[in-house]
Amino acid sequence: DAKTTQPNSMESNEEEPVHLPCNHSTISGTDYIHWYRQLPSQGPEYVIHGLTSNVNNRMASLAIAEDRKSSTLILHRATLRDAAVYYCILISGAGSYQLTFGKGTKLSVIP
Amino acid sequence: EAEVAQSPRYKITEKSQAVAFWCDPISGHATLYWYRQILGQGPELLVQFQDESVVDDSQLPKDRFSAERLKGVDSTLKIQPAELGDSAMYLCASARALGNTEAFFGQGTRLTVV
Repeated sequence: DAKTTQPNSMESNEEEPVHLPCNHSTISGTDYIHWYRQLPSQGPEYVIHGLTSNVNNRMASLAIAEDRKSSTLILHRATLRDAAVYYCILISGAGSYQLTFGKGTKLSVIP
Repeated sequence: EAEVAQSPRYKITEKSQAVAFWCDPISGHATLYWYRQILGQGPELLVQFQDESVVDDSQLPKDRFSAERLKGVDSTLKIQPAELGDSAMYLCASARALGNTEAFFGQGTRLTVV
């Protein structure tokens, strides 16, 4: 599976936008980019995913670089509830759909 | 809203004892995963089922761990004998089918081996 690289931690002020980066320079043409997050003491939860085009949903936006070697998860207005570990994961569209988690980015939100 | 149910939420066991965890996926979800998460690390896949069949168990320590999903619905993960290093969160997740669908996670079972 192609690997991803994320910063270990980030901080954001409450009610400000947050841009969480992910590098995936070895991504293949069939790999989908997924983001999950894990709040303290809970299981991970799906946030968003995309292939080539930018995606928006009620939780976040996903901006994918034109060469697909990087992506950015955008939280438009951080709240205290968004404090979590965010995982960027590549999943092959031709494989067995395994979620392989790295260490993720721990996001702290400052009131 | 449908959820993945796991029990127990917490389990303390002595080393060398047997321990079992149960998972009930969202109804209709064919794909089921078991993950182990050590504190401070991301979840690590142990086993993946498609219906009652194992798709991947390459990371499952088969000398002490076993997993089954006999009727393709709920699943049990067993450890025998438990070791101190097995202390971790055990997470179950399900997805509608193989392919790029959203996976739903349960709240996990926190195992402490003493």
